Amino acid sequence: QKEVEQDPGPLSVPEGAIVSLNCTYSNSAFQYFMWYRQYSRKGPELLMYTYSSGNKEDGRFTAQVDKSSKYISLFIRDSQPSDSATYLCAMNRGGSYIPTFGRGTSLIVHP
Amino acid sequence: NAGVMQNPRHLVRRRGQEARLRCSPMKGHSHVYWYRQLPEEGLKFMVYLQKENIIDESGMPKERFSAEFPKEGPSILRIQQVVRGDSAAYFCASSPPGGVFQPQHFGDGTRLSIL
Repeated sequence: QKEVEQDPGPLSVPEGAIVSLNCTYSNSAFQYFMWYRQYSRKGPELLMYTYSSGNKEDGRFTAQVDKSSKYISLFIRDSQPSDSATYLCAMNRGGSYIPTFGRGTSLIVHP
Repeated sequence: NAGVMQNPRHLVRRRGQEARLRCSPMKGHSHVYWYRQLPEEGLKFMVYLQKENIIDESGMPKERFSAEFPKEGPSILRIQQVVRGDSAAYFCASSPPGGVFQPQHFGDGTRLSIL
């Protein structure tokens, strides 16, 4: 079993939909949780990061961490075609500089 | 406020040649990380460097691959005697110094193709 599991998709939704992207993990030592967006032929772009459990909101994006279930989510409200990209989750153990990445979920938002 | 700069963006080499990939971290960042990404796969950590020091190279192949981050100038990932299996996108990331966790910021990568 991989430390971080992420469904590769693709996930196809109509414009305006609420998108839910998820990762599960097995290592309870993870404390820092990140979401990156990667467009084709570009590098990963940091969207949000959170520490420990709880919610964090930034515009149309909400990151949610449930450490008891070892489950993290990224919600995108009012999705746009420009949100079409691959979304990578990543997480760090406390004291570690090296994150563990999920495989990424491909999201397609069609007009 | 320039981000992480990688060059070249595309690099073509023949089998047996050397490939040199360069990375300039964001201003104020002194930690550099290299990753490899293959199609349909996630980012695989290769090496973590600070100025003039390799901190963690646990993801780097033992042969043909080396990395450095000199006191002056960019970080270099060097691949000697390239083989077809080295074809991939190589990404560099950087983060600021300090004991508190800071997430990494990525460049747009170098796409290496081996003929």
